[in-house]
Amino acid sequence: QQKVQQSPESLTVSEGAMASLNCTFSDRSSDNFRWYRQHSGKGLEVLVSIFSDGEKEEGSFTAHLNRASLHVFLHIREPQPSDSALYLCAVSMRATGGNNKLTFGQGTVLSVIP
Amino acid sequence: GPKVLQIPSHQIIDMGQMVTLNCDPVSNHLYFYWYKQILGQQMEFLVNFYNGKVMEKSKLFKDQFSVERPDGSYFTLKIQPTALEDSAVYFCASSLVVGPGNTLYFGEGSRLIVV
Repeated sequence: QQKVQQSPESLTVSEGAMASLNCTFSDRSSDNFRWYRQHSGKGLEVLVSIFSDGEKEEGSFTAHLNRASLHVFLHIREPQPSDSALYLCAVSMRATGGNNKLTFGQGTVLSVIP
Repeated sequence: GPKVLQIPSHQIIDMGQMVTLNCDPVSNHLYFYWYKQILGQQMEFLVNFYNGKVMEKSKLFKDQFSVERPDGSYFTLKIQPTALEDSAVYFCASSLVVGPGNTLYFGEGSRLIVV
């Protein structure tokens, strides 16, 4: 069964400093990776999706996938206090029939200090 | 971006009673999902639904749970009867298609408290 772990549990950075979040997955046949963000009491906002090794940039968010090491990273360039939220990594596998059954990590709480 | 609406946002219900959680998915989407998040735990897949049928469900989708979308109206999750362990935030999601490259759009969740 797929396991998805995120680290750190919480991260505090100063406004404008790069923030880096880590997500580790267990199943090498995973091929579909997304980062979501959840502000308190709100729904999930999709940030960036990545499906092959390498980098994918969406605005100030960059996902970096290395399937050999079972890691997918999220880098946030010049974060603002409004980026303070819970960041969730979600992984799915083509083997599930492409039914978009996502396995989520437990999340990283990011706090951006002015 | 595309919006998924969930009603109610919060509900408190007595154990044993029935509850229906409603989801208004993105208008042209065809695939619908429910996820469950117990306080402090990871969000977990419950069920996905397409063309009037359940496509896949997890072991969390107990016999007391049911989903439907009658005549293109709300996509609903019904729990009958409710149990204390059903207390959680339930997130609805929808997508246009399935497969790689497709994106699920989530609602803001319905917080259910069973007392």
